[in-house]
Amino acid sequence: ELKVEQNPLFLSMQEGKNYTIYCNYSTTSDRLYWYRQDPGKSLESLFVLLSNGAVKQEGRLMASLDTKARLSTLHITAAVHDLSATYFCAVDDNAGNMLTFGGGTRLMVKP
Amino acid sequence: EPEVTQTPSHQVTQMGQEVILRCVPISNHLYFYWYRQILGQKVEFLVSFYNNEISEKSEIFDDQFSVERPDGSNFTLKIRSTKLEDSAMYFCASSGQGAYQPQHFGDGTRLSIL
Repeated sequence: ELKVEQNPLFLSMQEGKNYTIYCNYSTTSDRLYWYRQDPGKSLESLFVLLSNGAVKQEGRLMASLDTKARLSTLHITAAVHDLSATYFCAVDDNAGNMLTFGGGTRLMVKP
Repeated sequence: EPEVTQTPSHQVTQMGQEVILRCVPISNHLYFYWYRQILGQKVEFLVSFYNNEISEKSEIFDDQFSVERPDGSNFTLKIRSTKLEDSAMYFCASSGQGAYQPQHFGDGTRLSIL
């Protein structure tokens, strides 16, 4: 059974600071996705990481994937309040049939 | 930008009743999914559907659940004999043809079982 663990589960940070969210998974997979969820809202696709060493950046967020370590990171640079949300990583079963989600990281950015 | 649409946005049902949650996937997508999220918890996979049949299902997706694509646009999740623990947000998702396409999620249906 594929397990996906994120840490931290909760992150409170000041605007302007940097931080990294970690996503570990238990079986071999080379497809990992990051989603953002605002309270009461749906899941918005942020990044699709498809190979070892993949790095994607969008604004203040950068995601990377190390398939050998079974680890993905989501790095936040100079956080702003608008980034406050819950961030989920999700791992594909390599057949495109299902995503297994991590527990989510609730990020609060304080002014 | 094309969206996955779900109806209703909120469904309140008495325990033991049947509910049907409806989804209209993005029009040129071929892969369809249902997930659920119990309040404050992580998103859990229920079922995937391709070429008019289930391609994968989780342990949660037991005989109480069924999916159907009754026409060319709708994708439904039926829950028979609902239980209190079925209360959750149910998300529909779809993805396009081609390798490694991300799944696009609808806004969800909040199901409350009384």
